[in-house]
Amino acid sequence: GQNIDQPTEMTATEGAIVQINCTYQTSGFNGLFWYQQHAGEAPTFLSYNVLDGLEEKGRFSSFLSRSKGYSYLLLKELQMKDSASYLCAVRARSNDYKLSFGAGTTVTVRA
Amino acid sequence: GAVVSQHPSWVICKSGTSVKIECRSLDFQATTMFWYRQFPKQSLMLMATSNEGSKATYEQGVEKDKFLINHASLTLSTLTVTSAHPEDSSFYICSAPNLNTGEGISNQPQHFGDGTRLSIL
Repeated sequence: GQNIDQPTEMTATEGAIVQINCTYQTSGFNGLFWYQQHAGEAPTFLSYNVLDGLEEKGRFSSFLSRSKGYSYLLLKELQMKDSASYLCAVRARSNDYKLSFGAGTTVTVRA
Repeated sequence: GAVVSQHPSWVICKSGTSVKIECRSLDFQATTMFWYRQFPKQSLMLMATSNEGSKATYEQGVEKDKFLINHASLTLSTLTVTSAHPEDSSFYICSAPNLNTGEGISNQPQHFGDGTRLSIL
């Protein structure tokens, strides 16, 4: 089976930085995705990592270490609209698109 | 704009009713679509993989006779919850990868529909 762990909740102040960690133990690895999900809405794609290192995309960055089974999503210059659930998802096999999702981390941004 | 359209957004119906949910890819062909279920404050749980022109592949523990999937065209997959009961109340979401961007299979994210909130009374 697939085991993907991330913290349940995090709280941060507007303008600050928050790092959401994700550890995974899966039967294979062919990429890690981060999605943002606002309450009652569908997830939206944020980032993708398949090689070790940092991928930067504006205020959001994502890091991957395959040897450690570890990734993090870094949110900088937090805004109130960033309050949402952040989902870590792993694709185990290269020949299909099936994703296994973590339970999600609810980030609350306070003024 | 949305690349995957899901309909309806909300369904409230009586126990025993069958409910059909549609998932359409709007500007690309989707030979594969995925159906997920999400309970409050929980993760997305994959229910099944919908394959155009062939039978769906169900995840362990998902009743194929309860959750009927039809993928009759390259842009449409339907999920029918048969004889729905209150425990079937959940948020159902479909997704599809866009294979037509030319960027290769590996880094294609899944595009999600807006979800269907199903409430069975």
